[in-house]
Amino acid sequence: DVKVTQSSRYLVKRTGEKVFLECVQDMDHENMFWYRQDPGLGLRLIYFSYDVKMKEKGDIPEGYSVSREKKERFSLILESASTNQTSMYLCASYPPSGSGSYNEQFFGPGTRLTVL
Amino acid sequence: GDSVTQMEGPVTLSEEAFLTINCTYTATGYPSLFWYVQYPGEGLQLLLKATKADDKGSNKGFEATYRKETTSFHLEKGSVQVSDSAVYFCALSSTGGFKTIFGAGTRLFVKA
Repeated sequence: DVKVTQSSRYLVKRTGEKVFLECVQDMDHENMFWYRQDPGLGLRLIYFSYDVKMKEKGDIPEGYSVSREKKERFSLILESASTNQTSMYLCASYPPSGSGSYNEQFFGPGTRLTVL
Repeated sequence: GDSVTQMEGPVTLSEEAFLTINCTYTATGYPSLFWYVQYPGEGLQLLLKATKADDKGSNKGFEATYRKETTSFHLEKGSVQVSDSAVYFCALSSTGGFKTIFGAGTRLFVKA
């Protein structure tokens, strides 16, 4: 079974702090994603990566950056946390084409971040 | 662009009631369609999927049929249980792409 883990389940930070959220997957997937989940808005894509050192902006990249130095690890960085970044953050990975998983994404348990 | 619209919640049902959560989509080409479920305190997990028109996805008593003519993928279950209380997300992934578009989610509460 694919396992996607996230470094923290709950995190509390102060405005202006630099925040790192880490995600690790164990199935050698090329594609990894960061979403934020807010009530009534569903999941919104922040950034994704289709290979090591490659990254693409999603729908709401402002205020975030990412790092993918190793295939299994995808980090989300809040350079200067603000209160409007209080949210649930979900990481996902996606298998390569032709693997038979029909485009299914595999999710981590989420990190609930509160910025005070 | 591609989009997914699902019924707003919360939906509150008594145990053993019939469940329908409506989902419609807009997409070019022939997307794959999914229902994901999120139990309290957890990430999303795939509930069922359908990859072409008229396919029926099913799992754990839930079903959804890919209707191209009505661009819909409604989720149904004949008899819900308290353990089905969760948030349900309809989603699509377009042919050849790996970006997934999610609906806003529908929260289901099932009372004993």
